[in-house]
Amino acid sequence: DAKTTQPPSMDCAEGRAANLPCNHSTISGNEYVYWYRQIHSQGPQYIIHGLKNNETNEMASLIITEDRKSSTLILPHATLRDTAVYYCIVRPNFGNEKLTFGTGTRLTIIP
Amino acid sequence: SAVISQKPSRDICQRGTSLTIQCQVDSQVTMMFWYRQQPGQSLTLIATANQGSEATYESGFVIDKFPISRPNLTFSTLTVSNMSPEDSSIYLCSVPRPSSSYNEQFFGPGTRLTVL
Repeated sequence: DAKTTQPPSMDCAEGRAANLPCNHSTISGNEYVYWYRQIHSQGPQYIIHGLKNNETNEMASLIITEDRKSSTLILPHATLRDTAVYYCIVRPNFGNEKLTFGTGTRLTIIP
Repeated sequence: SAVISQKPSRDICQRGTSLTIQCQVDSQVTMMFWYRQQPGQSLTLIATANQGSEATYESGFVIDKFPISRPNLTFSTLTVSNMSPEDSSIYLCSVPRPSSSYNEQFFGPGTRLTVL
């Protein structure tokens, strides 16, 4: 799996958009960008994934740069329940299904 | 989605003993994964458990220390053998989303293990 780089921590005010960056400069053509989060004392939770187009679901939006070397996860209206560690993972969509977690970004939503 | 339960949710064990952790899924899945999360750290994959075959272990993990059983498509156990304080971690199982075209995984709530 390609290596990812994320800032270790970020703060965001409640109600504002939280923008979490991820660098994946060595991503290969068949690898997708996946985002998971881990709320304290829980198992990780899938958020969203994408290949090259921007994606949006009920939880978040994913913006992938045209060269695919970086991406941004956007939580449009952050709430206190979004406080968690966010992991950016790149991997093929099929075949090897194991996940390789990096160190992630600890996002703290401030009231 | 898949609902995953783990037993026990937490335990405190003595050095040198063994603990078996159970993972139960509410649907049939081919692959199950076992992860370890040491205090303050990210998750590390221990092994992949396929039904009917031996588990595949990641570098740094061996079967004698972490034996795994996978008797059917909804259940797996991970044993932490001859424990030391360094084994104090959260142990999580996960499964891929059933019948999915992409690699979403569901995680259990974890087993918090403390070794004295």
